[in-house]
Amino acid sequence: SAVISQKPSRDICQRGTSLTIQCQVDSQVTMMFWYRQQPGQSLTLIATANQGSEATYESGFVIDKFPISRPNLTFSTLTVSNMSPEDSSIYLCSALDREDSGANVLTFGAGSRLTVL
Amino acid sequence: EDQVTQSPEALRLQEGESSSLNCSYTVSGLRGLFWYRQDPGKGPEFLFTLYSAGEEKEKERLKATLTKKESFLHITAPKPEDSATYLCAVGDPDSSYKLIFGSGTRLLVRP
Repeated sequence: SAVISQKPSRDICQRGTSLTIQCQVDSQVTMMFWYRQQPGQSLTLIATANQGSEATYESGFVIDKFPISRPNLTFSTLTVSNMSPEDSSIYLCSALDREDSGANVLTFGAGSRLTVL
Repeated sequence: EDQVTQSPEALRLQEGESSSLNCSYTVSGLRGLFWYRQDPGKGPEFLFTLYSAGEEKEKERLKATLTKKESFLHITAPKPEDSATYLCAVGDPDSSYKLIFGSGTRLLVRP
């Protein structure tokens, strides 16, 4: 299965600044996604990162706040812009992968834990 | 509204004490039910996918089952290394690839 690397693994940021998270997959994948995991809550899909075109955002998430790039089939970035303490969360990159049976599954990176002061 | 509810929120077991975790869902059309394990500081790790009522899958001490409204993750004779958060998710009826996650069950297995 695909191996996903994210960086930074964690960071402490000041209010009003922006931070870009990088996601690298060790093989070409058709679809990549960005999730947010707030403390004690479930994973919430932010957007689907589309290769060569604008990302597709879920309800409640906008491009100005979470710009996403996907220049090729193995790499994507998520920027958290103009951060506030409410943005403190774990941000997870995932990719559409296949399990041994051939069924589609999502594989996740280890996540990037952001703390905004 | 499509929803996934997991219970209990937290579970403490003694090593060897078998139990089950529950995942109930309400979706208009099930596109697969997924179980993941998440260790602290790590991303979710895929365990099982179930697609139809009556289906069962096993892996070591874990067995996942599926009915029309819920799924169970049975843990037989757990060991301390089984301690983790177990996440359940269902495929979004409106998308082939989106998942709707529950909030997870935190399992602690004491030696």
